Amino acid sequence: QKEVEQDPGPLSVPEGAIVSLNCTYSNSAFQYFMWYRQYSRKGPELLMYTYSSGNKEDGRFTAQVDKSSKYISLFIRDSQPSDSATYLCAMSALVGTASKLTFGTGTRLQVTL
Amino acid sequence: DGGITQSPKYLFRKEGQNVTLSCEQNLNHDAMYWYRQDPGQGLRLIYYSQIVNDFQKGDIAEGYSVSREKKESFPLTVTSAQKNPTAFYLCASSTNEKLFFGSGTQLSVL
Repeated sequence: QKEVEQDPGPLSVPEGAIVSLNCTYSNSAFQYFMWYRQYSRKGPELLMYTYSSGNKEDGRFTAQVDKSSKYISLFIRDSQPSDSATYLCAMSALVGTASKLTFGTGTRLQVTL
Repeated sequence: DGGITQSPKYLFRKEGQNVTLSCEQNLNHDAMYWYRQDPGQGLRLIYYSQIVNDFQKGDIAEGYSVSREKKESFPLTVTSAQKNPTAFYLCASSTNEKLFFGSGTQLSVL
């Protein structure tokens, strides 16, 4: 069993829809949770970062963490075609001064006009 | 501009050849990382370095080597021992637990 599970998609939604992306994990040592957005053949870009259970909102994006269920989500409101990308969840247990992130496989999102 | 620069963007390797991927950062981050990305497998950690002149193996270090002689630079060598090198390689640096990535190098075998 992988430490982090993420549905690869693809997920296709119409413009303006609310998108829900999810990951589950098995390692209780994970303390920090992140969502990255990656456009094709580009480096991942940090979208959201949180370290506690609950919700964190930033514009159209909301990150949700439920440590008791080992489940994290990213919600995108009013989705736009420019949101079409692969979304990677990532989580870590800090090791010294380095952060060894464990990534999900990514969910490919397509927002259609 | 502050950031992480990877070069080249595309690289081709011949059978039995060693190739080196460059990674430079001007973010003054102590920690740097190399990841490999294959379709459907997500990102896998090859090597990481917390400080100059020190580095640790990640999950898939076999067939790769690194050096960290300067804080700003963390080059990755893909050796001939790596039998399946075709992949997208990503360099990153971090402040605390947040990783910031370069734009990647696509390595292919001729």
